[in-house]
Amino acid sequence: DTGVSQNPRHKITKRGQNVTFRCDPISEHNRLYWYRQTLGQGPEFLTYFQNEAQLEKSRLLSDRFSAERPKGSFSTLEIQRTEQGDSAMYLCASSPAGYGYTFGSGTRLTVV
Amino acid sequence: GENVEQHPSTLSVQEGDSAVIKCTYSDSASNYFPWYKQELGKRPQLIIDIRSNVGEKKDQRIAVTLNKTAKHFSLHITETQPEDSAVYFCAASKIAGTASKLTFGTGTRLQVTL
Repeated sequence: DTGVSQNPRHKITKRGQNVTFRCDPISEHNRLYWYRQTLGQGPEFLTYFQNEAQLEKSRLLSDRFSAERPKGSFSTLEIQRTEQGDSAMYLCASSPAGYGYTFGSGTRLTVV
Repeated sequence: GENVEQHPSTLSVQEGDSAVIKCTYSDSASNYFPWYKQELGKRPQLIIDIRSNVGEKKDQRIAVTLNKTAKHFSLHITETQPEDSAVYFCAASKIAGTASKLTFGTGTRLQVTL
């Protein structure tokens, strides 16, 4: 277990389709975060899990976005009815106690 | 919520010179301040962090200083090298109990020229 793994690396989808991304955190880390990054900007917080509990969700996050972390292991982020504005890099990070996030390589979503 | 501002947005220095990037934060309850380096097309990587009970921390050529009263913190890179060229992000967080969300600045593109 050498780091945070995200799949797929790239996803191209048509507007209106649903997409799902997966994140496998570092196994000893109980905290898992999803961030979104657009070109030229810093990562923007989406949601956060401690074990299987989703503890915080950004107020900016549309109802079209949902995330799960069953059994406190891997996590999935689903976007329903995608829009062109959803095009971005989706980053997952994990941490043992809130300090020292380790980020995955991200999933780049392009909505056409 | 927390707001983090970062300056400058771009910085060009000659190899061997020093580089300084500054950030300010708005929430006086924030107590953890990491810095991340992101090379083109790669993941953000933690390079140094500081907690609010410390004023300065150094790791080889990089150092971070924190002024809690003024609510600002800075990254200092000495003897810059071409491989230091990247985008650097500061972040702030209030870590207490289950709270641990990082708020990032907008980034500084550092270019080290030969």
